[in-house]
Amino acid sequence: AQKVTQAQTEISVVEKEDVTLDCVYETRDTTYYLFWYKQPPSGELVFLIRRNSFDEQNEISGRYSWNFQKSTSSFNFTITASQVVDSAVYFCALSGAGANSKLTFGKGITLSVRP
Amino acid sequence: DAGVIQSPRHEVTEMGQEVTLRCKPISGHDYLFWYRQTMMRGLELLIYFNNNVPIDDSGMPEDRFSAKMPNASFSTLKIQPSEPRDSAVYFCASSLWGGAGELFFGEGSRLTVL
Repeated sequence: AQKVTQAQTEISVVEKEDVTLDCVYETRDTTYYLFWYKQPPSGELVFLIRRNSFDEQNEISGRYSWNFQKSTSSFNFTITASQVVDSAVYFCALSGAGANSKLTFGKGITLSVRP
Repeated sequence: DAGVIQSPRHEVTEMGQEVTLRCKPISGHDYLFWYRQTMMRGLELLIYFNNNVPIDDSGMPEDRFSAKMPNASFSTLKIQPSEPRDSAVYFCASSLWGGAGELFFGEGSRLTVL
């Protein structure tokens, strides 16, 4: 069975602070995919990133960066110089690699960025 | 291109009534997913389809819930009879490559059962 744990439930930071959102996963698959989705106050879930289990290189996209470590089964997400618009619920998710794989979400982390 | 379209956006109904939620996936996407989001349980996968065929409905909570996909451009999630504990936001999502690919979500249907 697959499991995604986001131990942090709520984080509050002041604008321009850096913040890291933690994600730990469990799977027996050797090939799998990890994701982050953002759910802003408007409610719609927005895809941020997808990584496969064979690619442990860190990824940076603007102020966003992701650290994937298979040794600790973690896929953490860092926002540098946070902004008020980053306020949202962030979900980490895990999928197998098969054609009919299911995407399993963590419980989400509510990030509040104060001006 | 239009994204995933869900209707209604909001539904308020009384216990015992039938509720039908609708979804139009992105054209060309072979996979369609129904998720339910609540504060207590987070995002739960209810059922998903591949090429209009239900692949896994193990997340459907009970017989009161049913889902259909009569064609590639339309799916429904029906609750009959509805109960207050069904109150949640129901999301539809579509994908090219199943759960291993990027899911495109609709805006959700917020259901309140009184």
